[in-house]
Amino acid sequence: ETGVTQTPRHLVMGMTNKKSLKCEQHLGHNAMYWYKQSAKKPLELMFVYNFKEQTENNSVPSRFSPECPNSSHLFLHLHTLQPEDSALYLCASSQDRGFHNEQFFGPGTRLTVL
Amino acid sequence: GEDVEQSLFLSVREGDSSVINCTYTDSSSTYLYWYKQEPGAGLQLLTYIFSNMDMKQDQRLTVLLNKKDKHLSLRIADTQTGDSAIYFCAEGSSNTGKLIFGQGTTLQVKP
Repeated sequence: ETGVTQTPRHLVMGMTNKKSLKCEQHLGHNAMYWYKQSAKKPLELMFVYNFKEQTENNSVPSRFSPECPNSSHLFLHLHTLQPEDSALYLCASSQDRGFHNEQFFGPGTRLTVL
Repeated sequence: GEDVEQSLFLSVREGDSSVINCTYTDSSSTYLYWYKQEPGAGLQLLTYIFSNMDMKQDQRLTVLLNKKDKHLSLRIADTQTGDSAIYFCAEGSSNTGKLIFGQGTTLQVKP
């Protein structure tokens, strides 16, 4: 595997379910990101991790809970979601948080909340 | 605050040039980026330009930066049907280290 991978690629869940999204990067990067991409809206940055430490939480509701056990893996735990949370969730990584922040993206997980 | 604006849609004929425009607000941006997103895929970095440059060329892609007007453009020469995608402009904020994305321009290439 190369680059940034995400699983599952598609997920359908009910509002009472608990599920997790997984992201793995094989690039040796130190920073990882979760973004939400909704129709007709700009990409929204949700969380940032740098060297496994969370450095940014963009006022994301607590029903989204990130976890970064090491620099290569990032999870997004989902609990009691709402239909408006249906979106494409993209993971990205970069070498670090320096000012040349070239980010590499995974293919995304298409989430549908019923 | 930081904001990036793009037109939403552009349609061109195969073989023509495409020009996608972007404006941004953060004058302290050090790098500006163009990403491409094909259907069902994540974002792929196409090219970037450092803020002290006016132009960067990479094969069929030409990036122009007007720092005074905070205007960035991406020109695709000899546009092909495989170039049909959504193109995102992003500015790298030196204040926050974040990337701020525009809403994306959908490029439609007609045969």
